[in-house]
Amino acid sequence: GENVGLHLPTLSVQEGDNSIINCAYSNSASDYFIWYKQESGKGPQFIIDIRSNMDKRQGQRVTVLLNKTVKHLSLQIAATQPGDSAVYFCAELTGGFKTIFGAGTRLFVKA
Amino acid sequence: DTAVSQTPKYLVTQMGNDKSIKCEQNLGHDTMYWYKQDSKKFLKIMFSYNNKELIINETVPNRFSPKSPDKAHLNLHINSLELGDSAVYFCASSISSGRHNEQFFGPGTRLTVL
Repeated sequence: GENVGLHLPTLSVQEGDNSIINCAYSNSASDYFIWYKQESGKGPQFIIDIRSNMDKRQGQRVTVLLNKTVKHLSLQIAATQPGDSAVYFCAELTGGFKTIFGAGTRLFVKA
Repeated sequence: DTAVSQTPKYLVTQMGNDKSIKCEQNLGHDTMYWYKQDSKKFLKIMFSYNNKELIINETVPNRFSPKSPDKAHLNLHINSLELGDSAVYFCASSISSGRHNEQFFGPGTRLTVL
């Protein structure tokens, strides 16, 4: 069978609860920090981004927080739904085109 | 109305063979990328083209050769396939101005080398 993602950090939440997915980055010079969602069998899909000179940005049911002091990025999903189950990647954009992806976190939503 | 498409979706081949993966985007983007995703889901950029010019070329064996015949297409040719080349390969595209940080990914090509 497919041995994919067994070593990924995993977050399991109850439907309706809020989810917080964390990420540490390394490059202080990155211009943007981005969150992608990857559902099983599909390519990553852009969720939200934040420019390096901001510390918070909100979207629809999602909020990204950036703490440059400790090089930490988080994605908060409000009222998590079964359709939110996926692997979530943080990524950093440097030099205009080069996007470096983090290791990914698998989110399980329990009904 | 597929935005970024790749062919084939699955590719199973023997070691030593040469194979190609094709990518097309109909979003009007001017930048395209190839990524490799391994069995642990780690996603790593391989190449990027902007207006048909190579702008990112990560440390990738020279058995991998990208080709961009026009802004809407980016193909990946792999020579002398090895077991370690087994992975899912994703094509992506973006626009170089404005929302340049948002990349649109294709569905992936799962390559299995036997």
